[in-house]
Formats: sequence, C-alpha cells, structure tokens
Amino acid sequence: GESVGLHLPTLSVQEGDNSIINCAYSNSASDYFIWYKQESGKGPQFIIDIRSNMDKRQGQRVTVLLNKTVKHLSLQIAATQPGDSAVYFCAENYGGATNKLIFGTGTLLAVQP
Amino acid sequence: DVKVTQSSRYLVKRTGEKVFLECVQDMDHENMFWYRQDPGLGLRLIYFSYDVKMKEKGDIPEGYSVSREKKERFSLILESASTNQTSMYLCASQDVAGELFFGEGSRLTVL
Repeated sequence: GESVGLHLPTLSVQEGDNSIINCAYSNSASDYFIWYKQESGKGPQFIIDIRSNMDKRQGQRVTVLLNKTVKHLSLQIAATQPGDSAVYFCAENYGGATNKLIFGTGTLLAVQP
Repeated sequence: DVKVTQSSRYLVKRTGEKVFLECVQDMDHENMFWYRQDPGLGLRLIYFSYDVKMKEKGDIPEGYSVSREKKERFSLILESASTNQTSMYLCASQDVAGELFFGEGSRLTVL
C-alpha cells in the first residue's frame, strides 16, 4: 500500500502465487487511475488503467479493482513470475483542464523463486 | 510504440553548475511533464507543458525552469545545481486518454 517516509513497503511472494498490491488514493473526484511498473534503473511502464465508471478491469495476468466508496485501488497479479519483481505504483488523475497524474510512493514486489 | 527519449542517463555535476536535461517524444503529444523521483517520496511534478512555449509550475518548481520551443522537445534546466537536486529525473508525454509515457530517466548527482 501507500507509504509515508523513506521506506518502501515490500510485498514478498513465492513464484507462482498470486500478488495483491494496494493503493489508497486521495481525491474522490479522480476519474482515471493507472498502475505503473518500474524495474530497477528504468522508467515506469504502463500496466493497466481503469476509469471511475468501472469497478474491475482485467488484462493479461493482471486485474485492477476500484472501490470508490473507500477510495481504494488494487492490482492483482496472477501466477507471479520473477520478471514481475519491480516497484509498482498507482496514479490518479484529478481530471479537468489540468489532466495531471498524482502518484503514490509505490510498493516493492519481491518474487522468491 | 511511443518513444520518449532522455538524452542523458547519468550525469555528475558540481554545485553551482547549470544543467540541461533534454527530453524528446515522437508521438506528437501536446502534454509533456518533468518529474523527480526520490526514495520514499514517489514521483513529484516539477513542471509541465500543454503546448509549445507554454509551461505550468508543478508541485516543486523551485530551482528549476523549463523550455518548450518545439512540440517534441521539453527541456528541464537547473540554473545553479545544488546537492539537494541529486535525484532521478523522469520525463513523460501524455496521450489524449491521459496515459503517461515515460523516458528511461536521468540520474543526476550534484557534488
């Protein structure tokens, strides 16, 4: 989930297990959400997105769930693989004219072989 | 595929030096952004631009300026680098749906 301070929360899972990474967003008016994956030494890469008129969206091995009531977003990764090891963070779009994304601090996913 | 290219992956500069970080995108996106990324703080927006010669301050613009003379190019300038500007700098361009496409990042160390 989200973190405050210098230490990145870490989720450690066994290869083949399912992973769930959580994110609490801040603005009830946000209408677009994205999950990004960032491998060490690289820029963030898009994984999956969801708009506020949806509760769930599925991609290849990934599912994003949106709970607007409690302002909570989760990313589920099925059959986690070593290549999934990375920092994952969510972003929310306040919408309107600015179209700016606000990012969470991220969660480190460590996949154990 | 969208490609966002940052000209320098690693830079080492001295305090007081002027630093230019260049970013080029090839998808004709109007919106471009500069973020810095620090451990535990996530991505923080420095400046963004909606069009050529247009710029808006983000959340932490102090000590930085930007230039957008051409649509495909968005430059971040540190007029006088300081040690607290040691960071990873990420450039991004944005499509009409709102998705951001990032470059590989420029890791700046200021001694």
